[in-house]
Order: sequence, then structure tokens, then C-alpha cells
Amino acid sequence: DAGVTQTPRHEVAEKGQTIILKCEPVSGHNDLFWYRQTKIQGLELLSYFRSKSLMEDGGAFKDRFKAEMLNSSFSTLKIQPTEPKDSAVYLCASSFGGDTQYFGPGTRLLVL
Amino acid sequence: TQTVSQSDAHVTVFEGDSVELRCNYSYGGSIYLSWYIQHHGRGLQFLLKYYSGNPVVQGVNGFEAEFSKSDSSFHLRKASVHWSDSAVYFCAVSHNNAGAKLTFGGGTRLTVRP
Repeated sequence: DAGVTQTPRHEVAEKGQTIILKCEPVSGHNDLFWYRQTKIQGLELLSYFRSKSLMEDGGAFKDRFKAEMLNSSFSTLKIQPTEPKDSAVYLCASSFGGDTQYFGPGTRLLVL
Repeated sequence: TQTVSQSDAHVTVFEGDSVELRCNYSYGGSIYLSWYIQHHGRGLQFLLKYYSGNPVVQGVNGFEAEFSKSDSSFHLRKASVHWSDSAVYFCAVSHNNAGAKLTFGGGTRLTVRP
């Protein structure tokens, strides 16, 4: 059974660009989470979907961050426009019925 | 608002030593507590969780954690560490269940010297 997959693993963007990060949750999981991880802020929740419905859209991130889940097996996180302060590792996680979260390997984003 | 505090940013021990990684939380209601491990360049891996019952819970690879309501703590322990245990460890709290809406501590970097 495949775990959570994330693509790309690494992304380099110029300031002002639009980037889209992708996540495929564990098959059968109905909860999906996007987190941002930085050394200074640690792990911060960006978005939370339950059965494809957006349950929480992190207040501080609403401005340029948009997560979508068009079907139960795929989610995207769009950052538009990117800024250097967005440089971080973006982690996707999934769970079933609010049980244990399983994390993907993350996408390391560098914005120049 | 629930908060999670991991007081030690870095812990260094030798292989074969025992180790305790500290986690304290603040929250008034029923909570789930979890520990995750993150090896360099990888995502977080689940270690163990507690909600109710026996306050000592066993996890993978010889890890265990003990819940204390009086101390608002959920410290992680291992009796004899291996070099492969070197990683960052995160304590997490959820007020719904072990998965939904986790609030993480800042993490403790464990270094195990040979």
C-alpha cells in the first residue's frame, strides 16, 4: 500500500512566480492536511480537508495560498505569487476518520 | 488555545544510553497526544499515541511515552538508543483525536554518538 506521495520533491522559483505542489494521500484516507515547516516557525497547519471539504484554511496563509482537493486521491497547494519568505518544506499528510496522520516526504521550496 | 512545549531543542547521548525527551502541553479538555520522528530530509513518521487508559504507551523501535495529567506532560523515553535514532522528535496534541488538527511542539533534535 503506497504512502503519501508528494511532487515535486524540490522546487526553485523566482519571486512572483506561481507554483503548484501536489499530494496524493494514502488510498482510502478521507482527511488531508497541508503543513509548512520552517526552522523558525516549526510546523504550521495551512489547510485541512475532510472528505474533500475544506475544514480549515490557516488564517495567516489565506492571502496567497490556496489548497484544493478536486477528488479524494489528489490535492494541490498553489502559492501565488511566491515570496522569498515562502521558502520552506511543505508537508502533506492524510488520515482516516481523524486517526493517526501519515506524512509524505515533503516538497522543499526555495524562492529566490 | 492549545500549546505544546518541548523544552530541549538539542539532546546528545551515546549509543546504548537511555534518553528522555520532554513534552509539556497546555489544554483544558480531552486531548490526544502523539510523538513523531523526522529523519533528515524526510517526512514525519508516527511513533506512538495516547488518549486514555494505561498512561505508559509503547511505540515502535523500543520507544515508550508516559502521560501525566498532573504535570501536563507526555515525555518520550528509550532505554537504549542506537545511532539510527538520531533525528528530530516532535510531540503533538489534538483535541479531537490522534489525527485531526495536530498542534506540534518545536521539536527536539536527538544526536546519538557512537
